[in-house]
Amino acid sequence: DADVTQTPRNRITKTGKRIMLECSQTKGHDRMYWYRQDPGLGLRLIYYSFDVKDINKGEISDGYSVSRQAQAKFSLSLESAIPNQTALYFCATSDSLDRQVYNEQFFGPGTRLTVL
Amino acid sequence: GEDVEQSLFLSVREGDSSVINCTYTDSSSTYLYWYKQEPGAGLQLLTYIFSNMDMKQDQRLTVLLNKKDKHLSLRIADTQTGDSAIYFCAESREYSSASKIIFGSGTRLSIRP
Repeated sequence: DADVTQTPRNRITKTGKRIMLECSQTKGHDRMYWYRQDPGLGLRLIYYSFDVKDINKGEISDGYSVSRQAQAKFSLSLESAIPNQTALYFCATSDSLDRQVYNEQFFGPGTRLTVL
Repeated sequence: GEDVEQSLFLSVREGDSSVINCTYTDSSSTYLYWYKQEPGAGLQLLTYIFSNMDMKQDQRLTVLLNKKDKHLSLRIADTQTGDSAIYFCAESREYSSASKIIFGSGTRLSIRP
């Protein structure tokens, strides 16, 4: 079984719709992240959470919100989707730095979102 | 990823060496990384190097770090078709109470026969 799972894997939606992307992990990590990947732009951080009560904005948080429902679950919402949010979205996790110092991140398989 | 720069494409012949280059901006980065993304999959850590090292070798992979020039490279010896992927350079940046990873735009490596 995959350690980091994302649902759905693919989603097509219309402008103005609210959608939620979900991420679950079985690695027992405290830290979780949401990134979006666009061609030629690499990965950009949307939100990150270092524990259930700690949520922080990344570099491109406008238009997105998150919820850390439990240590193992971190969901990303688009309140009113727009076409320029069409992208590949990745969830990632990492262990806290007192347990592993080089901060490896473990990625889910991605969700391909298309906003028409 | 605008502060970590890498070329977007690289094409090499099977059996040759591939060298993927990256420049970064934060001289205080403690770790630098190479992640690999295969088609339809998420990123996986390929290798990393601590900032006080100049070189790290792991089987077919050699990482070179030039801190003065803020330049990182990944050399893949005897490149195989299974090496076709996007390779992301990344650096670890320290903030007030945490560290974050900043990714480059990725270099797509294609292998020709």
